[in-house]
Amino acid sequence: EDKVVQSPLSLVVHEGDTVTLNCSYEVTNFRSLLWYKQEKKAPTFLFMLTSSGIEKKSGRLSSILDKKELFSILNITATQTGDSAVYLCAVEKGAGGGNKLTFGTGTQLKVEL
Amino acid sequence: TAGITQAPTSQILAAGRSMTLRCTQDMRHNAMYWYRQDLGLGLRLIHYSNTAGTTGKGEVPDGYSVSRANTDDFPLTLASAVPSQTSVYFCASSDLGQNTGELFFGEGSRLTVL
Repeated sequence: EDKVVQSPLSLVVHEGDTVTLNCSYEVTNFRSLLWYKQEKKAPTFLFMLTSSGIEKKSGRLSSILDKKELFSILNITATQTGDSAVYLCAVEKGAGGGNKLTFGTGTQLKVEL
Repeated sequence: TAGITQAPTSQILAAGRSMTLRCTQDMRHNAMYWYRQDLGLGLRLIHYSNTAGTTGKGEVPDGYSVSRANTDDFPLTLASAVPSQTSVYFCASSDLGQNTGELFFGEGSRLTVL
């Protein structure tokens, strides 16, 4: 059975802190790993990772994938209150077509002043 | 740009009644999906469609049906609702030709079955 596990389940930090969110997976026929941010309603896309060791970066957010150890991390530096959200990790399987994703349960991040 | 539009935003439904959640996209994406989101369980795929005229079952399809008569619309029907179907339902779409894996989500429909 495919599995995506995120940790921690939740955390509270202060503005300016750096946080690292974890995602481990067990899936057959792995194709890619994706990170989404969910604030109030619709999840919004952050990154897609397909290759090990190649960092994806967007502003203060970055992510990297380790296909040997089957995990990914999402880093947020100099956190701001606007980073408060649930961060979702999802894995896409290859072959058979479609972008059917298996999601983890998410990490709820709260950034306080 | 509207993107994905879901209706209704929220609904309270008596057990045993039927309900259709509507989803329309204006991005001409070939693939569409229905997920449900429950506390502690995350997003789980109910049904999907890779192209108009075809549908497939996801992880939790029981009690739900879908149709894809055209590219833009992907309604989700609960034939006889049960309390365990209380959830937030998200419709999503993607362009399979882009090979990015990115899904575009609607704002969600909160359904309560009593």
